[in-house]
Amino acid sequence: ETGVTQSPTHLIKTRGQQVTLRCSSQSGHNTVSWYQQALGQGPQFIFQYYREEENGRGNFPPRFSGLQFPNYSSELNVNALELDDSALYLCASSPRVANYGYTFGSGTRLTVV
Amino acid sequence: DQQVKQNSPSLSVQEGRISILNCDYTNSMFDYFLWYKKYPAEGPTFLISISSIKDKNEDGRFTVFLNKSAKHLSLHIVPSQPGDSAVYFCAAVNFGNEKLTFGTGTRLTIIP
Repeated sequence: ETGVTQSPTHLIKTRGQQVTLRCSSQSGHNTVSWYQQALGQGPQFIFQYYREEENGRGNFPPRFSGLQFPNYSSELNVNALELDDSALYLCASSPRVANYGYTFGSGTRLTVV
Repeated sequence: DQQVKQNSPSLSVQEGRISILNCDYTNSMFDYFLWYKKYPAEGPTFLISISSIKDKNEDGRFTVFLNKSAKHLSLHIVPSQPGDSAVYFCAAVNFGNEKLTFGTGTRLTIIP
């Protein structure tokens, strides 16, 4: 069984640009959550997708948006990048909603300059 | 507003001894708690969880204790092994809600 795969692993963008991060869920998992981990902090919840619908959102502005596809893979899109968006972005999948033993990917390190 | 706090950024323990990692929370709506372990360049890995209806849960060398009145939980690792060296995150949730709230992590170093 494959785990959670995220791409790219590292990315450098300029302030004001847009970025798309990708995540392939673990096989059999229909729920995907995205977290932002700033340096020295714990992961912070961005949003969750279940069966292609947003199933909850954290305290992030609308320029953070997402998608989940029929194969349960997912994208995180961030528009109008700001310097504070520099962080590790983690994708986590689970076999169902409210199953919190998440399988996390290794993350995408985004640097905004 | 840090609802889950891990006040010790780092901890060093001799191999074979007990490691105790602590976590405090402020939100009384939290009723399910988890510990994750993170190695460098990897995502967090789920370790163990506990529901608020229990005060203890064991899984091999790992035991989590929950003190609801003090809003405190701890993770005990016995005996500690070199492979346990990692960053440990405490997380909490109101069960059924989609949002896990994480602490800032404790870096555990096991000294051979």
